Amino acid sequence: EPEVTQTPSHQVTQMGQEVILRCVPISNHLYFYWYRQILGQKVEFLVSFYNNEISEKSEIFDDQFSVERPDGSNFTLKIRSTKLEDSAMYFCASTLGGAGTGELFFGEGSRLTVL
Amino acid sequence: QKEVEQNSGPLSVPEGAIASLNCTYSDRGSQSFFWYRQYSGKSPELIMFIYSNGDKEDGRFTAQLNKASQYVSLLIRDSQPSDSATYLCAVNINTDKLIFGTGTRLQVFP
Repeated sequence: EPEVTQTPSHQVTQMGQEVILRCVPISNHLYFYWYRQILGQKVEFLVSFYNNEISEKSEIFDDQFSVERPDGSNFTLKIRSTKLEDSAMYFCASTLGGAGTGELFFGEGSRLTVL
Repeated sequence: QKEVEQNSGPLSVPEGAIASLNCTYSDRGSQSFFWYRQYSGKSPELIMFIYSNGDKEDGRFTAQLNKASQYVSLLIRDSQPSDSATYLCAVNINTDKLIFGTGTRLQVFP
């Protein structure tokens, strides 16, 4: 069964460092997302991406965040200068027809720990 | 004002019983409604989605939607210990994102 894959599974970084989280969405999907979940809290929307551009972003997704689809398969989330409060599980997700039309397929997540 | 609200639980039910999970939402423009299950340390996985008022059944699961009262519920019949997880309600308000509630932790004891 096709799946969304994410790397790394766990990354530890120092405050102020840049981090890139990588995702390979399901191959025929057209809509891509990043969500995050701080330990013990709810799953929060960060950004949606369609047709090679951001379609929607949350207040969390400020100037230190960026997303990119550098080739036909990868979808990356970059955090330029990490803060302690960026420590969370980051989930990539993809879907064929948009968030409201059916299943969002989530990857297993990348746990980011900022020291 | 919270957009999607759920009781955090835990909701404890004996094996074989019906588990009832509830969710309310604040935006009347909400279009589609989803129930995800999340095991500890894992990613969310979809159980069901519902768009129209009424009930929708899939195996042991039934989703119920009442747009006038702005709530959506999930019933799990014949609950099993393997159903023990956090159940996330998510809502789409005709935008390209899902808004999740905080989740209800379900414990099914043998």
